[in-house]
Amino acid sequence: GENVEQHPSTLSVQEGDSAVIKCTYSDSASNYFPWYKQELGKRPQLIIDIRSNVGEKKDQRIAVTLNKTAKHFSLHITETQPEDSAVYFCAASKASGNTGKLIFGQGTTLQVKP
Amino acid sequence: NAGVMQNPRHLVRRRGQEARLRCSPVKGHSHVYWYRQLPEEGLKFMVYLQKENIIDESGMPKERFSAEFPKEGPSILRIQQVVRGDSAAYFCASSPGKDQPQHFGDGTRLSIL
Repeated sequence: GENVEQHPSTLSVQEGDSAVIKCTYSDSASNYFPWYKQELGKRPQLIIDIRSNVGEKKDQRIAVTLNKTAKHFSLHITETQPEDSAVYFCAASKASGNTGKLIFGQGTTLQVKP
Repeated sequence: NAGVMQNPRHLVRRRGQEARLRCSPVKGHSHVYWYRQLPEEGLKFMVYLQKENIIDESGMPKERFSAEFPKEGPSILRIQQVVRGDSAAYFCASSPGKDQPQHFGDGTRLSIL
């Protein structure tokens, strides 16, 4: 069945360092890959997404890369700040079907130490 | 432009009661998704609806759970005869199309006594 694996489950970095979170997906028909940031008790917020027709996308300090052959995509955060501390979720979907449901990874708790 | 609105934010029910969760999508969005999140876990898809139609309910338990998105008014997720295992945060998301980004509401935290 459809599955998304996310690693690591926890990540602690020093302020200013980079953070990388990796995900793999099982369904080769998946073609849309969003990343969400969720602070404690709050809603998941879309921070960046990528579609299967591109290999990389960047938005200021955040970038996402996609390797369709390996069914692997990653989130890169540079120059981390304490306010980046949160739980990050990757997800995958295949909008070509009759549903755009998102299959989420298990989440990564990122702690940025001042 | 208001985002996805969910209510109530917190809901407490006793075992055997009914829970009714509401979701008003972003204005102009006709696609609604419901997800469930257990403590310290990821979000699990439950159901996808367009106005007046259930498109995909593959993630919803066959018994006690139902969802609707009427022509007028919010989407409703209904859980009948709740059990302790139903305790979770239930999030609604909306999008203008099935291949468009989904935006989430603040969720309803359901507690079963």
